[in-house]
Amino acid sequence: AQSVSQHNHHVILSEAASLELGCNYSYGGTVNLFWYVQYPGQHLQLLLKYFSGDPLVKGIKGFEAEFIKSKFSFNLRKPSVQWSDTAEYFCAVNAAAAGNKLTFGGGTRVLVKP
Amino acid sequence: DSGVTQTPKHLITATGQRVTLRCSPRSGDLSVYWYQQSLDQGLQFLIQYYNGEERAKGNILERFSAQQFPDLHSELNLSSLELGDSALYFCASSPYGQGYNEQFFGPGTRLTVL
Repeated sequence: AQSVSQHNHHVILSEAASLELGCNYSYGGTVNLFWYVQYPGQHLQLLLKYFSGDPLVKGIKGFEAEFIKSKFSFNLRKPSVQWSDTAEYFCAVNAAAAGNKLTFGGGTRVLVKP
Repeated sequence: DSGVTQTPKHLITATGQRVTLRCSPRSGDLSVYWYQQSLDQGLQFLIQYYNGEERAKGNILERFSAQQFPDLHSELNLSSLELGDSALYFCASSPYGQGYNEQFFGPGTRLTVL
């Protein structure tokens, strides 16, 4: 079945460490890609999105993601995390092949230790 | 605050019962999306309404139904509830009908079925 996969379910880091979260999808054709974040007790918020153009996308709070079409990947990165980045991160894909519905990955819980 | 409101925040009910969850989209947004988030299934798209009409359907059970009213608020009706329906139900809204637009999420309704 076509899907969105986030390989890391839990990540624990210390402050100032670099973060990279993997996201792979299996849809062919045109895709629109998103990373959402859910801070503890809060609603989902958009971190960044890719529709077209430069495959390196910069989002809020120092996050960036790189779209690699040949690898069907859209990995999220942050060079130096802070305690406030503790949250759950969701990759999401909108694909024509999936009827233009937004399909979410399983999420990655990130814990940043002070 | 995303501008999307959901009521109630918490709902506890018994198996076999019926409940209604309510969502008010951001001012001006015509699309409303419903999602179910559970530990085993992750974040699953249920259904989308655009300007009062059903636009897209996801993994929504036949026991569940939704509608969008002329004032654009939406209700998700869950009937013949089972233990497995316990989950966090999110509503999201966007200005347009296409799934690739950014969606703004509400705080969710936590449903517990006993």
